[in-house]
Amino acid sequence: GQNIDQPTEMTATEGAIVQINCTYQTSGFNGLFWYQQHAGEAPTFLSYNVLDGLEEKGRFSSFLSRSKGYSYLLLKELQMKDSASYLCAVRDYGGATNKLIFGTGTLLAVQP
Amino acid sequence: DAGITQSPRYKITETGRQVTLMCHQTWSHSYMFWYRQDLGHGLRLIYYSAAADITDKGEVPDGYVVSRSKTENFPLTLESATRSQTSVYFCASSPQGASYEQYFGPGTRLTVT
Repeated sequence: GQNIDQPTEMTATEGAIVQINCTYQTSGFNGLFWYQQHAGEAPTFLSYNVLDGLEEKGRFSSFLSRSKGYSYLLLKELQMKDSASYLCAVRDYGGATNKLIFGTGTLLAVQP
Repeated sequence: DAGITQSPRYKITETGRQVTLMCHQTWSHSYMFWYRQDLGHGLRLIYYSAAADITDKGEVPDGYVVSRSKTENFPLTLESATRSQTSVYFCASSPQGASYEQYFGPGTRLTVT
């Protein structure tokens, strides 16, 4: 079966660092995506990992371990505007499709 | 440069009525997708399309119909709306290729009374 797990909610303080974990069990694997979604808005792309290791993009970094079925999104120097849901999504290896399987998302609240 | 648009943005309809949600993208992306988003379920794939005239079912296709006669348009029709179809619907598109992300439209909030 296909299963992607993320914590439902997290709280962090402005200026701090927070790590959002994602574990997955899918029939295949061909990449992992992180999206940010503010309340009432569409998801927007943050990062993509297909090989093991860390990808850094400004204040955001994403890590992948394929052998462990594990990824995390690291947000540094938290700002109030980072309060949002963070969605982990796995691209299942299945021919030429670009289908993604999404987790239920982690709602991050950044407090002053 | 409109990108990907959805219409209407908000819709209230009655049980049993047919309703069509529109999706239009200006990038000529090969792939298009329809998702619904409900509390506790995250984004669930309803239907997707790899190219014009090629569509396939996703995770939750029952009660929905799609078509794709042109690359840029991918309408979603609820043939006979039910209250369980009250949701936020997102359309997305992406180029062909494993590393490409999906780009999401602004969403349609549908309420079935």
